[in-house]
Parts: sequence; structure tokens; C-alpha cells
Amino acid sequence: EAGVAQSPRYKIIEKRQSVAFWCNPISGHATLYWYQQILGQGPKLLIQFQNNGVVDDSQLPKDRFSAERLKGVDSTLKIQPAKLEDSAVYLCASSWAGGGTEAFFGQGTRLTVV
Amino acid sequence: AQTVTQSQPEMSVQEAETVTLSCTYDTSESDYYLFWYKQPPSRQMILVIRQEAYKQQNATENRFSVNFQKAAKSFSLKISDSQLGDAAMYFCAYRSARLGDMRFGAGTRLTVKP
Repeated sequence: EAGVAQSPRYKIIEKRQSVAFWCNPISGHATLYWYQQILGQGPKLLIQFQNNGVVDDSQLPKDRFSAERLKGVDSTLKIQPAKLEDSAVYLCASSWAGGGTEAFFGQGTRLTVV
Repeated sequence: AQTVTQSQPEMSVQEAETVTLSCTYDTSESDYYLFWYKQPPSRQMILVIRQEAYKQQNATENRFSVNFQKAAKSFSLKISDSQLGDAAMYFCAYRSARLGDMRFGAGTRLTVKP
């Protein structure tokens, strides 16, 4: 089966600019996650979708970050305006709805804010 | 919120030897799942092993096994007969059975010496 697709792989922007990341989960996976992984740290959950509804966005900086999952399939994560501390790898993952199933990850987008 | 702690930032093992990576977690839930993921330099997160909290038997996958101590909230990973390809970052993860959110520890960097 096809894996989780993310684009772009790399992005360099200046601070205060905006950026968007795209994720296409594995077909049939109801749960979709966005993580922020700062260099040398573990992934931090930003937002979790179940189909097109938000389950958890408690760690999403809502003044600058937004995410949507239209029709319960693809998802986009946007940052506007970006700050230097947003430099990180943004990982998208998806899974079946059951809690016992593993999450499958995309290769991530490396964002550098200069 | 649940927290996952990996107290070993770095570990080193000689090829063909055995190494154990530690993980503890904090939760008030009784139903959950635990995972170990491997992240090589390519950034692709790969599932190593999974454990259901309701199962007393420790999970095993070839050279990888876990020591799950539910009362102590401890979940360690043992890698036997270490290979050069095992070198990577290893992340312990907790997933709630109720909400499905997945939280990660800070990771342990494993080096395998030839």
C-alpha cells in the first residue's frame, strides 16, 4: 500500500512569511496527526484529526498555526507568520481509528526560517 | 496529559552485543498502547515493536523485545545481537485507547560500534 505522502520535503522562508505543508494519508486511515520535531527532540503533537474533526489541538499555537482536513482525507498545516523558532521537521502520520494500531509516518518537511 | 520520559539521551553498544533502552510514562488511564519507533537519519519513523497494556506477556519481534512493567509504568526495549543497521534514534510512544492521541519521549540515540 502507498505510504503517507508529504510535500514539500524542504522549505526555507524568511521570518514573518507564511508557509503551508500538505499531507496525504494512507487510504482509509481515519486518524491523522501533525507533529513538530525540533532538532534533537522527540515529536510534539500539534493536532490530531479523526476524519475531518479535530480531536486534540491543545499544543497547536493557534495565533499562528492552523490546520484543516477537508473531506477527511488530505490535510494542510499552515504557519502565518513564521518565527525563527518554528524551524523544525513537520511530520504527518496516519492510522486506523483503533488505538492499538500503529501510526504510519511520512518523511516529513524540513522547515528553516531565516 | 500523558507524559513519556526517556532518560538516556545516548547509548552505545558493540556489534553483536545486547543493549536496553529505558522508557517510563505517566498516565491515569488503564487502557493504552505502547510503541517503540526507530528514526534513522532519513527521518522516516519506523515501528519497531508494540505492546498492549492489557496483555501481560511481553512483546517480541525477532531481535527486539520489551520489558513491560505496568505497575511501575515502565517500558524498556532490548535489542539483542545488535547490528550496524540498528544505529538510529529510538522513540518510546504512548497511545491512549480512548482518544487515540500518540505522545513521544525525547528519544535515545543509539550508536553501534563495529
